[in-house]
Amino acid sequence: QKEVEQNSGPLSVPEGAIASLNCTYSDRGSQSFFWYRQYSGKSPELIMFIYSNGDKEDGRFTAQLNKASQYVSLLIRDSQPSDSATYLCAVRSSNDYKLSFGAGTTVTVRA
Amino acid sequence: DGGITQSPKYLFRKEGQNVTLSCEQNLNHDAMYWYRQDPGQGLRLIYYSQIVNDFQKGDIAEGYSVSREKKESFPLTVTSAQKNPTAFYLCASSIRGALETQYFGPGTRLLVL
Repeated sequence: QKEVEQNSGPLSVPEGAIASLNCTYSDRGSQSFFWYRQYSGKSPELIMFIYSNGDKEDGRFTAQLNKASQYVSLLIRDSQPSDSATYLCAVRSSNDYKLSFGAGTTVTVRA
Repeated sequence: DGGITQSPKYLFRKEGQNVTLSCEQNLNHDAMYWYRQDPGQGLRLIYYSQIVNDFQKGDIAEGYSVSREKKESFPLTVTSAQKNPTAFYLCASSIRGALETQYFGPGTRLLVL
């Protein structure tokens, strides 16, 4: 079982719609969770992080964490063509500082 | 202007050759990391360093070596022992601690001639 799993996509959404991305993880003791956006040929850039159960909102992005079910999700509201990218979920393990990354979900926002 | 720089942007390696990828940061971050990304895959950790003069192997360290002589610099050498080096190499840094966030440099794309 992979440590961090994401649907690879592609996830295609119309402009203005909500894109919903999911990520599950295997280490029950994980404490911090990150979403990165990666444009083709570029390096990952941090969108947001979440540590506590519940929702965290930042602009059009909302991260949701459910530690009991071991999943974290990212919602992108009012999707724009500029949101077309691969979204990487990363989880910090419970016993060291390393991040484990999922393979990423590719999102395409069609105009 | 703080940030992480990686050079070169593209690097070509001949068979049997060792090559070194540069990573420099002026963010005063304690920890630095090297990842490898292959097409359609997530990032895999090669090496990481929490403090100067100390580093640990990640999940795929074979065929790679690093040094951490200065806080700002964490160069990665891809040795001839790495038989499949073609990949996108990413350097990251963070403040050392339990909840720190990693920030990435622009990456180096390594190709084999």
